[in-house]
Amino acid sequence: DVKVTQSSRYLVKRTGEKVFLECVQDMDHENMFWYRQDPGLGLRLIYFSYDVKMKEKGDIPEGYSVSREKKERFSLILESASTNQTSMYLCASSSISRDSNYGYTFGSGTRLTVV
Amino acid sequence: RKEVEQDPGPFNVPEGATVAFNCTYSNSASQSFFWYRQDCRKEPKLLMSVYSSGNEDGRFTAQLNRASQYISLLIRDSKLSDSATYLCVVSSRGIFGSGTRLLVRP
Repeated sequence: DVKVTQSSRYLVKRTGEKVFLECVQDMDHENMFWYRQDPGLGLRLIYFSYDVKMKEKGDIPEGYSVSREKKERFSLILESASTNQTSMYLCASSSISRDSNYGYTFGSGTRLTVV
Repeated sequence: RKEVEQDPGPFNVPEGATVAFNCTYSNSASQSFFWYRQDCRKEPKLLMSVYSSGNEDGRFTAQLNRASQYISLLIRDSKLSDSATYLCVVSSRGIFGSGTRLLVRP
């Protein structure tokens, strides 16, 4: 089974701190994604990456950046954490191409609280 | 218009009922279609892919209507354990619908 591992289940950070959320997948998937999920707002895409060192903005990239130095690892960075970034963060990976149809596999999420 | 839209519900149905959800999408070039299930405080998990000809997995049936740009999920003989939020995704860009909440009551 594909496994997507997020480094922390719960995280508490102070306003203004630089925060790193790490995500690692073990199935050689090309695509990786970062989402935040808030009550009533569903899954909102922050950034995604189709390849190493490649990134594209999702729907809500403001206040975030990402890094993909290795295929298996996709990091989400909050440059200066703010209280409105308190949320559940979910990482996912996929190997969807024209001829394959395997879907997205999610990590178990990181619940970040910014105080 | 949002790229992917779902009725948020909740759909409140008795055990044994048949319930259907739709998911509309705006990008006619979309090639990948899936339904996901998310339980409270858990990550979404793949329920089923949606194929052009429609497909069935036990009590669940998924269909694609390209002309009207929507996918559907039909659940027959609902169980209490079907209570969850059902999310659709219709692109390789990872854009999910906001989910439809299903509550199955005894």
